[in-house]
Amino acid sequence: AQTVTQSQPEMSVQEAETVTLSCTYDTSESDYYLFWYKQPPSRQMILVIRQEAYKQQNATENRFSVNFQKAAKSFSLKISDSQLGDAAMYFCAYNAGGTSYGKLTFGQGTILTVHP
Amino acid sequence: EAGVTQSPTHLIKTRGQQATLRCSPISGHTSVYWYQQALGLGLQFLLWYDEGEERNRGNFPPRFSGRQFPNYSSELNVNALELEDSALYLCASSLFAGQTNQPQHFGDGTRLSIL
Repeated sequence: AQTVTQSQPEMSVQEAETVTLSCTYDTSESDYYLFWYKQPPSRQMILVIRQEAYKQQNATENRFSVNFQKAAKSFSLKISDSQLGDAAMYFCAYNAGGTSYGKLTFGQGTILTVHP
Repeated sequence: EAGVTQSPTHLIKTRGQQATLRCSPISGHTSVYWYQQALGLGLQFLLWYDEGEERNRGNFPPRFSGRQFPNYSSELNVNALELEDSALYLCASSLFAGQTNQPQHFGDGTRLSIL
């Protein structure tokens, strides 16, 4: 079974600095997709960034980028120039075919606090 | 473009009752997904519907069921409510997930509280 692990329950960062959130996953699939979602206190889950496993190039979206290490099954999220609005719970998620078709498997989440 | 909408925002029930939660997907999306976010258990996949059919189901008892209507909106029904069903229920939608790269877009959720 696929599993997603976020080993950092909480992280904090000063405004304008950089923070990296860790995520590892376990799968026997060769083709899959990885996502980072953000859930602010307003509770709506917002897609931050996604990565296709077959692409070696790391995805970037403005201040958000990932470090995807397929062999190590690692998928970390880097937030540059942190802003107060980045404070939220961040979830790493995995999606593949087979019996998990259509299903997102989430990690436990990391609470990010941004200090002014 | 309107996002995924869920109703009601909050639902209070007692043990043994039935709850019905509703979800309207983003226009043009045919796939609807349901997730349970319970305290201490994280986000768990419940159900996936596409074109009116149940495509996949998570590890939940049969008293969790749902359906998708011709307009692609969806209902989640939970029968014989138990205290442990108290959770935030999130609905998501996507273009058809025949390819797994379709990102899922989430609504604000329905908070179900069982007294």
